[in-house]
Amino acid sequence: SAVISQKPSRDICQRGTSLTIQCQVDSQVTMMFWYRQQPGQSLTLIATANQGSEATYESGFVIDKFPISRPNLTFSTLTVSNMSPEDSSIYLCSVEAVPGAETQYFGPGTRLLVL
Amino acid sequence: AQKVTQAQTEISVVEKEDVTLDCVYETRDTTYYLFWYKQPPSGELVFLIRRNSFDEQNEISGRYSWNFQKSTSSFNFTITASQVVDSAVYFCALSEARTGANSKLTFGKGITLSVRP
Repeated sequence: SAVISQKPSRDICQRGTSLTIQCQVDSQVTMMFWYRQQPGQSLTLIATANQGSEATYESGFVIDKFPISRPNLTFSTLTVSNMSPEDSSIYLCSVEAVPGAETQYFGPGTRLLVL
Repeated sequence: AQKVTQAQTEISVVEKEDVTLDCVYETRDTTYYLFWYKQPPSGELVFLIRRNSFDEQNEISGRYSWNFQKSTSSFNFTITASQVVDSAVYFCALSEARTGANSKLTFGKGITLSVRP
């Protein structure tokens, strides 16, 4: 497995502002993923972030709204831009600790409330 | 496209009861992986088990057991002698093995399990 931390753990933001969420892993991993979990809902994949290449976004998610950085093999950031109350969710990062193992381990999540 | 259905939304049991959480999946691939995750109130997703499509052996880990049946496309999870600490949301997930491409997890909607003392 892998030990994953996220910052901040929670935040309350005003609409129209942006928040950058950090994800740190205790080992080098090739694949990192960002998910959104809206209140009472399941997890939806936002994008896959591979080091050294542009993030791959899922249908319904765009780079202008959710820019992602992946500067090295242990770190990634997700920015939620120009926030609205509909962006209130838990945002989770995950990693595939062992390449090809298909198992993803998740960070503790960032609880975001947009007023 | 892959799909995971968890028809049960909420289950409430009394401590020490056994409980089974159902999961039915759809995929066109012959190679795929199935997972169960636990999400306690703290929000973190805890990995419980991974099963690949070629291994239909049931698995037992302490009070937890999993029944994988390809014939019915089901991967059910049973907790024996449930405890209050088992109270959480449980997600079943599916990943299709895609050679040369990123794995993608598709989650079911989750089952909220409440275990009363």
